[in-house]
Amino acid sequence: EVQLVQSGAEVKKPGESLQISCTGSGYTFTSHWIGWVRQMPGKGLEWMGFIYPGDSDIRYSPSLQGQVTISADKSISTATLQWGSLKASDTAVYYCARLNMGLLTIDYWGQGTQVTVSS
Amino acid sequence: QSALTQPPSASGSPGQSVTISCTGTSSDVGGYDYVSWFQQHPGKAPKLIIYEVTKRPSGVPDRFSGSKSGNTASLTVSGLQAEDEADYYCNSYAGSNNLGIFGGGTKLTVL
Repeated sequence: EVQLVQSGAEVKKPGESLQISCTGSGYTFTSHWIGWVRQMPGKGLEWMGFIYPGDSDIRYSPSLQGQVTISADKSISTATLQWGSLKASDTAVYYCARLNMGLLTIDYWGQGTQVTVSS
Repeated sequence: QSALTQPPSASGSPGQSVTISCTGTSSDVGGYDYVSWFQQHPGKAPKLIIYEVTKRPSGVPDRFSGSKSGNTASLTVSGLQAEDEADYYCNSYAGSNNLGIFGGGTKLTVL
């Protein structure tokens, strides 16, 4: 069974750094793109970027490039999303998602990680 | 890239049918047969219910159907049930150098 399990909720202060993770199981982690999707409070879904764990090819959303860093450690089947300096506007639920490139869709989602940034 | 356009809300009574639209451009919805629909219940992760415009993953009831005409894709939910009350998002492929585009979401209320 394919599963994407994300790390737990985080409460941080503005200016702090943060890394959240997404661990895949039940499939070959290096053979599928993993994407990160942001959902701000009461808002819709927004792509942040993708990574192909097989070769660490990364694509960022133009609007978010430079604000976050996406990486993957294929030895532990884990993708990560990190911030160097959080802002209050980073408060959101962040989902990781597996892309099915044959169907050009997302076929599996993580459970989501709530990130709250508040002073 | 702009989000695909969805109506913010839709509603119907149990047993009725409701259709949600998703309008893009010839560079996304109109240019490819790779439109997906996702259902999201409050506090839950989205779930794939339609891919490649019309196809349903295993386990998704056939009450859910998709279609496309020109730059507009549509999701129809027939025989509405209480558990269909959720947010629905469309997503379209938009070319190899693009991350794909989501719609703004539609809140479906079962009256």
